[in-house]
Amino acid sequence: GDSVTQMEGPVTLSEEAFLTINCTYTATGYPSLFWYVQYPGEGLQLLLKATKADDKGSNKGFEATYRKETTSFHLEKGSVQVSDSAVYFCALMSGGGATNKLIFGTGTLLAVQP
Amino acid sequence: EAGVAQSPRYKIIEKRQSVAFWCNPISGHATLYWYQQILGQGPKLLIQFQNNGVVDDSQLPKDRFSAERLKGVDSTLKIQPAKLEDSAVYLCASSFAAGAVYNEQFFGPGTRLTVL
Repeated sequence: GDSVTQMEGPVTLSEEAFLTINCTYTATGYPSLFWYVQYPGEGLQLLLKATKADDKGSNKGFEATYRKETTSFHLEKGSVQVSDSAVYFCALMSGGGATNKLIFGTGTLLAVQP
Repeated sequence: EAGVAQSPRYKIIEKRQSVAFWCNPISGHATLYWYQQILGQGPKLLIQFQNNGVVDDSQLPKDRFSAERLKGVDSTLKIQPAKLEDSAVYLCASSFAAGAVYNEQFFGPGTRLTVL
């Protein structure tokens, strides 16, 4: 079945460092891909998305490019801030029609130190 | 705009007891989802409603879990009887409509269940 694999954490970085969180997927067909973020004590929030190959999603300085050839959707940010400390989830949505099931990876905890 | 509301935020019960969680979606959202998030894992869909009808409950353990969405608004998820492995965060999400990835799913803060 469809699945998402993302790098394990925690990832600990200093402020202004470059961030990469790897995400690869397995899916039949052409899924849409997402990054969600969960700040401490809050619910999941959509960070960015890409719905077809070569699309780049971006938001709040974060970017991810849908790479069909490598089945990847790696999350990057050029300069992280302490406020970016959170758990990041890669997810895919396949199927269509009435079913909008999101399939999540296990999450990666990011800790940014001042 | 008010977000997805869930209650309670925390619940501790003993195994074999029953428990219920409540969710109030964003006003006007036709689609409602319940996810289970076990510690160290990503959320897993338990059930999806479109208005008050079930769209997908393929991963709902129907021998102990039940859910309803009366009148197509609020929803309740029940576990009876609870097992130790049910300890998790239960997330409710809603979206304007199903059938397109453009309908973002908005998540509530979750209910953390501990089964002793």
